[in-house]
Amino acid sequence: DAEITQSPRHKITETGRQVTLACHQTWNHNNMFWYRQDLGHGLRLIHYSYGVQDTNKGEVSDGYSVSRSNTEDLPLTLESAASSQTSVYFCASSAGPGGGAFFGQGTRLTVV
Amino acid sequence: RKEVEQDPGPFNVPEGATVAFNCTYSNSASQSFFWYRQDCRKEPKLLMSVYSSGNEDGRFTAQLNRASQYISLLIRDSKLSDSATYLCVVTIYSSASKIIFGSGTRLSIRP
Repeated sequence: DAEITQSPRHKITETGRQVTLACHQTWNHNNMFWYRQDLGHGLRLIHYSYGVQDTNKGEVSDGYSVSRSNTEDLPLTLESAASSQTSVYFCASSAGPGGGAFFGQGTRLTVV
Repeated sequence: RKEVEQDPGPFNVPEGATVAFNCTYSNSASQSFFWYRQDCRKEPKLLMSVYSSGNEDGRFTAQLNRASQYISLLIRDSKLSDSATYLCVVTIYSSASKIIFGSGTRLSIRP
């Protein structure tokens, strides 16, 4: 069955370190998204991509970057981790207009 | 103003009750609409799509009103297992599509 997986599921890192969160989908979806969700709050869009070599900034993109070198993967990089980036990160993919998005299980990131 | 707005709740209703949520969106370019369910500390999962003609899936009914730019979800005969946060989702198409999530409405069903 097609799926979308994130790794690691949990990570603790120190302030100032570079961190990369992986997202891999086997749906062959063109659209991929990264969201963060803070305790008691909704999902906020960080970055998104509509295909290989395409990346776009979401509403909370500062301090984050993504790259899309193939259809399956959209890694999220925190250039210099800050405590304010402690959150749960969700990756999602969708086939395109009219189709719902499917989510990975999330990565719980703690920056100390 | 947020692009998608929901009443955060929480809604606390007895088992067997009927409960309704509304969601409003501000961008008239919005073209696809969904309801998602999110359990505590888990990923959101697609519950159902929403169409202007209305659609039903068992105890769940979704409705879209394009003129007023709102979406509704009705849950009949609520079960304890319906306790979750319900997210309203809108896909906006301009030069490309973007998926926007509402902040969610918390529902708690009590025995």
